[in-house]
Amino acid sequence: DGGITQSPKYLFRKEGQNVTLSCEQNLNHDAMYWYRQDPGQGLRLIYYSQIVNDFQKGDIAEGYSVSREKKESFPLTVTSAQKNPTAFYLCASSGTGDNQPQHFGDGTRLSIL
Amino acid sequence: DQQVKQNSPSLSVQEGRISILNCDYTNSMFDYFLWYKKYPAEGPTFLISISSIKDKNEDGRFTVFLNKSAKHLSLHIVPSQPGDSAVYFCAAAGYGQNFVFGPGTRLSVLP
Repeated sequence: DGGITQSPKYLFRKEGQNVTLSCEQNLNHDAMYWYRQDPGQGLRLIYYSQIVNDFQKGDIAEGYSVSREKKESFPLTVTSAQKNPTAFYLCASSGTGDNQPQHFGDGTRLSIL
Repeated sequence: DQQVKQNSPSLSVQEGRISILNCDYTNSMFDYFLWYKKYPAEGPTFLISISSIKDKNEDGRFTVFLNKSAKHLSLHIVPSQPGDSAVYFCAAAGYGQNFVFGPGTRLSVLP
């Protein structure tokens, strides 16, 4: 089945530690996105990538980093510089061009120990 | 400043009745709108879309209405079913822009 796989589903981070969230898609989509969801808020865009080896900052990129070495993969690293990392992280992908809905993975919940 | 607003955090509807979820936006450049449904601990699932050249789009029990002059869209679910209980997000984008998501409305369909 085609889809987006995020792992792990739950992740715990110690203070001062970097952690990496995985996102893999087999939909042959060019564009991939990372969002953060906090209670009572909409999804906020962290980073996005329209093509391999290229990515752009979203609205809340500080304290995060990404890479896009393969079309299928768009990992997100939450660095120790992100002071409030506890949230639900969602990865999405879409085809390029106008009016393309995004398809989401099932998310990773990150908590601080 | 929230560009996409869903002013009702929650909504309860009786099974079999109509559910109406509302969304307002402020950016007149938005021309494509989506509705997503989200269950707890899962990612949002795409439901239905509408572009600004239309004022209505229908898919089974789901209909989205767009009022461009009022910068308002709504999602109608008829008839509502218990399995429709979820959080519903609307999202909007302009040409070449990333989507902006609303904060969501939690729908509870009561048996």
